[in-house]
Amino acid sequence: AQKITQTQPGMFVQEKEAVTLDCTYDTSDQSYGLFWYKQPSSGEMIFLIYQGSYDEQNATEGRYSLNFQKARKSANLVISASQLGDSAMYFCAMIPGQEGRRALTFGSGTRLQVQP
Amino acid sequence: DAGITQSPRHKVTETGTPVTLRCHQTENHRYMYWYRQDPGHGLRLIHYSYGVKDTDKGEVSDGYSVSRSKTEDFLLTLESATSSQTSVYFCAISEPGLAGGPNTGELFFGEGSRLTVL
Repeated sequence: AQKITQTQPGMFVQEKEAVTLDCTYDTSDQSYGLFWYKQPSSGEMIFLIYQGSYDEQNATEGRYSLNFQKARKSANLVISASQLGDSAMYFCAMIPGQEGRRALTFGSGTRLQVQP
Repeated sequence: DAGITQSPRHKVTETGTPVTLRCHQTENHRYMYWYRQDPGHGLRLIHYSYGVKDTDKGEVSDGYSVSRSKTEDFLLTLESATSSQTSVYFCAISEPGLAGGPNTGELFFGEGSRLTVL
């Protein structure tokens, strides 16, 4: 069974500063994928970034980067130069890598508030 | 944007009544999922489907059933709604490949259906 842990229920950050949202995971699989999703107050789920377990480099997408530390089983999201529009819930998730019956397992989320 | 529509978007019902939520996709993705979102729990998987008439249970499947008679439609049914099933329900679709391959298996979500059981 897979488990995702997000230990920060809420975070505050000043506009234009960087912020790290923590995510640790537990799995016995050798191959897996890690995701981050954003949920603004409007409720939709927005895919941000993906990291495969065999990827040697950390994934980046614009201001988002994923700090992947495989030995520590952590997949922290780093948002650089925070903007007011970054205020939202953020969810970490993972999926088994092997083909077959697979589904994403989500963490409980972190609410980020960006202050002007 | 992925073509996913959920209906109804909002529903208030009474304990003991049956409720069906519909998810319709126009992307021809094989995989479809139903999640529920509750404060402090994130998104929890209820049921999922890998194709027509091929479904499986998730971690919180008790009290729910699903059906998929067509690729594009995935129905979630609460046979006898209870107050503990008050939640926001999300449908999602994907066409997953192997992790690390060109298709990451990301989920595309519908807009959610808010269900209140009184």
